[in-house]
Amino acid sequence: GAGVSQSPRYKVAKRGQDVALRCDPISGHVSLFWYQQALGQGPEFLTYFQNEAQLDKSGLPSDRFFAERPEGSVSTLKIQRTQQEDSAVYLCASSLRGGRGNEKLFFGSGTQLSVL
Amino acid sequence: GQQLNQSPQSMFIQEGEDVSMNCTSSSIFNTWLWYKQDPGEGPVLLIALYKAGELTSNGRLTAQFGITRKDSFLNISASIPSDVGIYFCAYTTGNTPLVFGKGTRLSVIA
Repeated sequence: GAGVSQSPRYKVAKRGQDVALRCDPISGHVSLFWYQQALGQGPEFLTYFQNEAQLDKSGLPSDRFFAERPEGSVSTLKIQRTQQEDSAVYLCASSLRGGRGNEKLFFGSGTQLSVL
Repeated sequence: GQQLNQSPQSMFIQEGEDVSMNCTSSSIFNTWLWYKQDPGEGPVLLIALYKAGELTSNGRLTAQFGITRKDSFLNISASIPSDVGIYFCAYTTGNTPLVFGKGTRLSVIA
């Protein structure tokens, strides 16, 4: 596709449920980032992939959060045993070149997660 | 990461007015960025600044990298309804992921 695609757009989960959020980056983009955006806040970094390698996961808030990009394209962010504080918009971004310090990120529309 | 302070937090303006917003930090950065987020969408890069004092335009938008390298401002001239959204400043040190401010929410009254 022409842009970064995320699915689902909306996800409602009961507390304690596991969820999986998908990101299809722009074809050929080396770098992939996940960000979390709480209501009224700016996006906050979660994790970074260069191709299939997860080079930085310093932003993941707990060990309930897990991300993968096994073939260097599609990525999945998994949250186990969801809690209410996990409610946020999860944004995926990709960039053509490698490196965490990329400034030219292309963001998807996000997945809005609501944990009840 | 270092906190970015954006002001104002929100603003309501009449269509046709000029808009000015800024972003400050206690630390020096090499790259300042301005992103815009439309409702229900992800942020989109508007302008990237790489040198102290640099002034860059993108259509009706103009941004400047402060001389002290601790601040940046964004101006929008002759605002139109589609300027509505949240404007984020962000920085990277070159080896760190982008850090975003909390944003300035712009509403335009026709």
